[in-house]
Amino acid sequence: EIVLTQSPGTLSLSPGERATLSCRASQSVSSSYLAWYQQKPGQAPRLLIYGASSRATGIPDRFSGSGSGTDFTLTISRLEPEDFAVYYCQQYGSSPGFTFGPGTKVDIK
Amino acid sequence: QVQLVQSGAEVKKPGASVKVSCKASGYTFTSYYMHWVRQAPGQGLEWMGIINPSGGSTSYAQKLQGRVTMTRDTSTNTVYMELSSLRSEDTAVYYCARGGYINPSLDYWGQGTLVTVSS
Repeated sequence: EIVLTQSPGTLSLSPGERATLSCRASQSVSSSYLAWYQQKPGQAPRLLIYGASSRATGIPDRFSGSGSGTDFTLTISRLEPEDFAVYYCQQYGSSPGFTFGPGTKVDIK
Repeated sequence: QVQLVQSGAEVKKPGASVKVSCKASGYTFTSYYMHWVRQAPGQGLEWMGIINPSGGSTSYAQKLQGRVTMTRDTSTNTVYMELSSLRSEDTAVYYCARGGYINPSLDYWGQGTLVTVSS
């Protein structure tokens, strides 16, 4: 089973700043099969990025994904107040081993 | 519009079973997989398994093998997740989420169902 590690655990930033979140896999993941989700308290997760770099429908272009192999990155170019949340990466190329990372919390500094 | 509507909260005793439903609408039910994901209080997301509503085939997380069963009813566009031999560690919010065949990311999610296991 592929294990995903996310860093940092918590990222404290101010609105308008740039956020860079990391997701590292224990073995190579096909770029086609890496996704990022956002979750706010009391809500279901929301798909942000699929295929490592493609934005899901309705996702603002301040969100971008990159990476390949074992290292992937989610970047939020300028944080808006509604972006403070927990972010999870997920790999879905190794069935039945669909796995999530432990999450990165982006909170207000 | 795509909607996944789940059944309501449940309270169960240790050792019992729970069955959660997820009714899909707004798309062709048999054209997408359905996943189940759970989240214990204050914890991260845990993938539980997947069902193909077209033929009913399933695949489960190894950790839950033998305790989880996913089924579907194509006449009502509903998938079910049953978890047996419940223990306190199964207390969580359970989500269903749609995944594509070609793009298997989870693009629509149900609202979640809280299952509490307590004596």
